Amino acid sequence: GEDVEQSLFLSVREGDSSVINCTYTDSSSTYLYWYKQEPGAGLQLLTYIFSNMDMKQDQRLTVLLNKKDKHLSLRIADTQTGDSAIYFCAGGSYSNSGYSTLTFGKGTMLLVSP
Amino acid sequence: GAVVSQHPSRVICKSGTSVKIECRSLDFQATTMFWYRQFPKQSLMLMATSNEGSKATYEQGVEKDKFLINHASLTLSTLTVTSAHPEDSSFYICSAREGRRRGLTNTEAFFGQGTRLTVV
Repeated sequence: GEDVEQSLFLSVREGDSSVINCTYTDSSSTYLYWYKQEPGAGLQLLTYIFSNMDMKQDQRLTVLLNKKDKHLSLRIADTQTGDSAIYFCAGGSYSNSGYSTLTFGKGTMLLVSP
Repeated sequence: GAVVSQHPSRVICKSGTSVKIECRSLDFQATTMFWYRQFPKQSLMLMATSNEGSKATYEQGVEKDKFLINHASLTLSTLTVTSAHPEDSSFYICSAREGRRRGLTNTEAFFGQGTRLTVV
């Protein structure tokens, strides 16, 4: 099955760019996703990229996909203290019952200091 | 986006007791719900998939008699951890989406806020 790896912690200063990296094993994932989890809140879908794209930009967020290296990254420009959260990378997979579902990385805790 | 509410957010229970976690879709009909578990410093792992009105399908290695899932209505699914033990202490999170089509993309799935279970 899919295996997704990401670093556990990243610390940046406010105003800097943050780059969160992720590697995955299953190249058949049609979509790759980034989720954000703030304390006490559910996972929020931030952005996603279709596997035939290599870049997607959405306001301050840029997703880069290197299919050859099976590497996905999320860049947050002008990082704010409100961006402090845990960020999960996820690949599309299938459950035992055949439903499309998600395989998650362990999450990267982003800490933004003033 | 759509709202999924999970309750309770934290629970502490004694070893041997059962704990019920609720997952509700507040503004859409959740035909399909997924239950995930996350151990400390590990990934979120899918436990089971449930469709309203039918039995849940469990992933390999998940005991269906221990983790009882009920999805009796289009807005509510419950996960009951029976005879809980300290090794069941974990973060449990549900996600819900409309539609039974297996191939729906995950952009249509919405997550609850999760439940931190501690068994003492």
